[in-house]
Amino acid sequence: EPEVTQTPSHQVTQMGQEVILRCVPISNHLYFYWYRQILGQKVEFLVSFYNNEISEKSEIFDDQFSVERPDGSNFTLKIRSTKLEDSAMYFCASKILDGRNIQYFGAGTRLSVL
Amino acid sequence: ELKVEQNPLFLSMQEGKNYTIYCNYSTTSDRLYWYRQDPGKSLESLFVLLSNGAVKQEGRLMASLDTKARLSTLHITAAVHDLSATYFCAVGRDLIFGKGTKLSVKP
Repeated sequence: EPEVTQTPSHQVTQMGQEVILRCVPISNHLYFYWYRQILGQKVEFLVSFYNNEISEKSEIFDDQFSVERPDGSNFTLKIRSTKLEDSAMYFCASKILDGRNIQYFGAGTRLSVL
Repeated sequence: ELKVEQNPLFLSMQEGKNYTIYCNYSTTSDRLYWYRQDPGKSLESLFVLLSNGAVKQEGRLMASLDTKARLSTLHITAAVHDLSATYFCAVGRDLIFGKGTKLSVKP
């Protein structure tokens, strides 16, 4: 069964460093998303992406964040200068536009900022 | 701004008994999603509710949607241990999640 793939599964970085989290959405999906979940808390929407541009973004998605679809398969989230409070699980999701609009989630990348 | 409230946030269930989780949301939406998350794992789609009065059932779980009341319920029938997980409702195109309800089923 097709699935959303995220790499790495765990990323450890120093405060102030740049990180890139990678996602390979399901191949025929057209809408892509990033969410984050701080340990023990709810899942929070960061950004949605369609047709090579950002559709929506939340207030969490500030200038430190950017997304890119560098080729036909990858979808990346970059954090330019990480802060301690960026430590969280980051989930990528994708969907196809059909009547049900279900987003399928990857297994997540745990980001630890030291 | 869309807000999604779930209650209870924690639910300790006895095997064999029935329980209900509630999900209220603050602005109009014609679709609501329920996801399950096991500890340390990703989110698994359980139900998509697309219209007022929609009811979906899968095994011991049944979800319903009342768009007029802006309320969805997730009903658990005869709880069993493998239902222990955190259940999230989510509303809207970009999925605004509730805080989740952590279910624990005890023998």
